[in-house]
Amino acid sequence: EAGVAQSPRYKIIEKRQSVAFWCNPISGHATLYWYQQILGQGPKLLIQFQNNGVVDDSQLPKDRFSAERLKGVDSTLKIQPAKLEDSAVYLCASSYSYNEQFFGPGTRLTVL
Amino acid sequence: QQQVKQSPQSLIVQKGGISIINCAYENTAFDYFPWYQQFPGKGPALLIAIRPDVSEKKEGRFTISFNKSAKQFSLHIMDSQPGDSATYFCAASNSGAGSYQLTFGKGTKLSVIP
Repeated sequence: EAGVAQSPRYKIIEKRQSVAFWCNPISGHATLYWYQQILGQGPKLLIQFQNNGVVDDSQLPKDRFSAERLKGVDSTLKIQPAKLEDSAVYLCASSYSYNEQFFGPGTRLTVL
Repeated sequence: QQQVKQSPQSLIVQKGGISIINCAYENTAFDYFPWYQQFPGKGPALLIAIRPDVSEKKEGRFTISFNKSAKQFSLHIMDSQPGDSATYFCAASNSGAGSYQLTFGKGTKLSVIP
């Protein structure tokens, strides 16, 4: 069974630029999560989708972050404009049965 | 507000020794407590999980101990091996809230030395 795929794996941008991350969840997983993991900390949930609907985006900085999950499969997370403090690893996870989440390898973002 | 507190921040253990990582939570509605293992450059992977209706769960060399009254749970790694060197995260979720969102601790970097 293929795991959660994410791209790109690494991204370096200047502050105030925009960036987008892509996630392809495990086939059949209806729930998709985006997490932000700052160096030395645990993952923090940004947004949760159930199929193509948003379950919770209370911790998503909506002035600069946006996410969508068209057709209930792939998802993209966008940051515009990026700030220095957005430097982190962005993890995508998916789940079929509730609780067990499977994580992708993440995208490491560096904002200069 | 940090809802799951994890300690220690880092841990060095001799090969063959026991590694112990502790977590404490505040939200009494939490009813699912997983541990994740993360290697550098990889996403976290579920290691073992427990629900509050049992006090201990063992899978191979990994054991979770759970103390509901103290709102604490811990991970024990028996016969620690260099391949166990990784960062370990405890987490908690409230299935009653319907979203099953995980709240993570800050992580423990484990180094097992030969």
